[in-house]
Amino acid sequence: GQQLNQSPQSMFIQEGEDVSMNCTSSSIFNTWLWYKQDPGEGPVLLIALYKAGELTSNGRLTAQFGITRKDSFLNISASIPSDVGIYFCAGPRVRSQGNLIFGKGTKLSVKP
Amino acid sequence: GAGVSQSPRYKVAKRGQDVALRCDPISGHVSLFWYQQALGQGPEFLTYFQNEAQLDKSGLPSDRFFAERPEGSVSTLKIQRTQQEDSAVYLCASSLAAGSYNEQFFGPGTRLTVL
Repeated sequence: GQQLNQSPQSMFIQEGEDVSMNCTSSSIFNTWLWYKQDPGEGPVLLIALYKAGELTSNGRLTAQFGITRKDSFLNISASIPSDVGIYFCAGPRVRSQGNLIFGKGTKLSVKP
Repeated sequence: GAGVSQSPRYKVAKRGQDVALRCDPISGHVSLFWYQQALGQGPEFLTYFQNEAQLDKSGLPSDRFFAERPEGSVSTLKIQRTQQEDSAVYLCASSLAAGSYNEQFFGPGTRLTVL
């Protein structure tokens, strides 16, 4: 079935660093979504990608929909403390009413 | 409020107890989804409603799980005879339209702990 593999599982950032994470699948997705989840909250949509090759920005966040439709990446530039949290990639399951498949997440923490 | 709300936010149940989790979607949203999020994992789909019709319940893990949305707005997820493996955060999401993908707005979730 459709699955999403995210990497890295976790990473530590220092304020001001750029961050990159990605998501791959063995099957094609027609829409790629990137969510952020803070502790005790539900996921919040950051960026939605609808077209292969599409590169979309939202402030300091940039995401790309891979040409093969089997991968996507998310970059965060000049990270700030409030960027910590868990980032999920997701996509709608094929032949569904839009129910989403999520990756396992990339946990962003601040370097001690 | 303008967003999706869920209650209770936290629920502790003894094994074997029945629980009911409530979701208030954004007013006017046609579609409503329930997801289960185990610790350290991404959310996993449970069931989907279009208005009051439950069109997809393929993700419900067992017949102990039951969901309803009788008037096409508020939804309740019921778990009978809870087991320890039911411990998770239960997320509700709603979207304005139906069919294919429309942006889903998530509630804060109900954290269920089964002792």
